[in-house]
Amino acid sequence: AQKVTQAQTEISVVEKEDVTLDCVYETRDTTYYLFWYKQPPSGELVFLIRRNSFDEQNEISGRYSWNFQKSTSSFNFTITASQVVDSAVYFCALRGGAGGFKTIFGAGTRLFVKA
Amino acid sequence: GAVVSQHPSRVICKSGTSVKIECRSLDFQATTMFWYRQFPKQSLMLMATSNEGSKATYEQGVEKDKFLINHASLTLSTLTVTSAHPEDSSFYICSARDPSSTGGYDYTFGSGTRLTVV
Repeated sequence: AQKVTQAQTEISVVEKEDVTLDCVYETRDTTYYLFWYKQPPSGELVFLIRRNSFDEQNEISGRYSWNFQKSTSSFNFTITASQVVDSAVYFCALRGGAGGFKTIFGAGTRLFVKA
Repeated sequence: GAVVSQHPSRVICKSGTSVKIECRSLDFQATTMFWYRQFPKQSLMLMATSNEGSKATYEQGVEKDKFLINHASLTLSTLTVTSAHPEDSSFYICSARDPSSTGGYDYTFGSGTRLTVV
């Protein structure tokens, strides 16, 4: 079975603080993909990153960075110098062949960034 | 990039009526589309997978007679909520797989439909 766990339900930070959103996954697939999406109040899903299971290189994109560790089945997301516009719900997701190529989402982490 | 258009963005309907939601892939042919439902402050839950020209596959616990999915063409999938009730009020969002993308990895989400049943 595939599963994504985002243990942090809500996080509140003050602007300019760094914040890390945790994601732990479970899958029996050897080939799978991990994702992070941002969902602002409008509801639309904003794609942030896709990582395949064979690429454990960490990635940085501006203030965003991702840490993928297969050994601990984690794919954590860090926002550096957070801004009010980062306030949203962030979802970690998993897609693998055993799941019929369906994308399974974690429960989401609601991030509040206060000015 | 690939674009998926979902309409309507918001709909209010009376209890007992049916509502149709459309999901269109604008610049690619989507052989597979997925429908999700999201209740307030909850995650996206997969309802069904539809493949063009065949019957949809529903997830456990989703009533196929209530949520009718039609994927009659490579660019259009529809979700019809039949005999809607207030408990069906939710955010519905579709996702389309672009088989022409590198490795067929790209799945694009629509912008969602907020359904309110009164």
